[in-house]
Amino acid sequence: DQQVKQNSPSLSVQEGRISILNCDYTNSMFDYFLWYKKYPAEGPTFLISISSIKDKNEDGRFTVFLNKSAKHLSLHIVPSQPGDSAVYFCAACAWNNDMRFGAGTRLTVKP
Amino acid sequence: NAGVTQTPKFRVLKTGQSMTLLCAQDMNHEYMYWYRQDPGMGLRLIHYSVGEGTTAKGEVPDGYNVSRLKKQNFLLGLESAAPSQTSVYFCASRRRDPSATEAFFGQGTRLTVV
Repeated sequence: DQQVKQNSPSLSVQEGRISILNCDYTNSMFDYFLWYKKYPAEGPTFLISISSIKDKNEDGRFTVFLNKSAKHLSLHIVPSQPGDSAVYFCAACAWNNDMRFGAGTRLTVKP
Repeated sequence: NAGVTQTPKFRVLKTGQSMTLLCAQDMNHEYMYWYRQDPGMGLRLIHYSVGEGTTAKGEVPDGYNVSRLKKQNFLLGLESAAPSQTSVYFCASRRRDPSATEAFFGQGTRLTVV
């Protein structure tokens, strides 16, 4: 069973606009959430994270929002740049350090 | 600083053959993970380890075994490879920290079972 879900396989936005990537989870034991970026033929690289005690974390152009009651988180990229084009994975970590990933969303930022 | 290194990077196996994938990290991380990536499935957790000598099953453990005899190494074994195990395998490591931390990934191992 997929405990972390990214229901949008792909997203296309114009350069300079906002990109919003969504993620849902089902396991209430998850208490730490992360976003990773992945380019072809490379391992995923960490982007930003959020603890379950917070509802927002910001790092430059990247902001992650967490809605615990809805078991939903989102990643906002503003402004989007062509170099942001990649596959983005949402991940969730439980108290026992079991860390699960979603299926990924391929973001394309058009110049 | 090498980070997380996976060996080998590519391998072709025949059905029924066995092999071991090696993951080595030089960051003194306590936690290590093995994932497989398949199209449309994202990264699925195979096994993980929270410390030397300990391992735990993830969501797709069948057909794989793991060992963590040394803190810096996490081995993934396929005893009898099957075509369904054709995938890209990623290893990751993570520091033990009360506030939790991000995982660092290796470059991946592309395995084809024919």
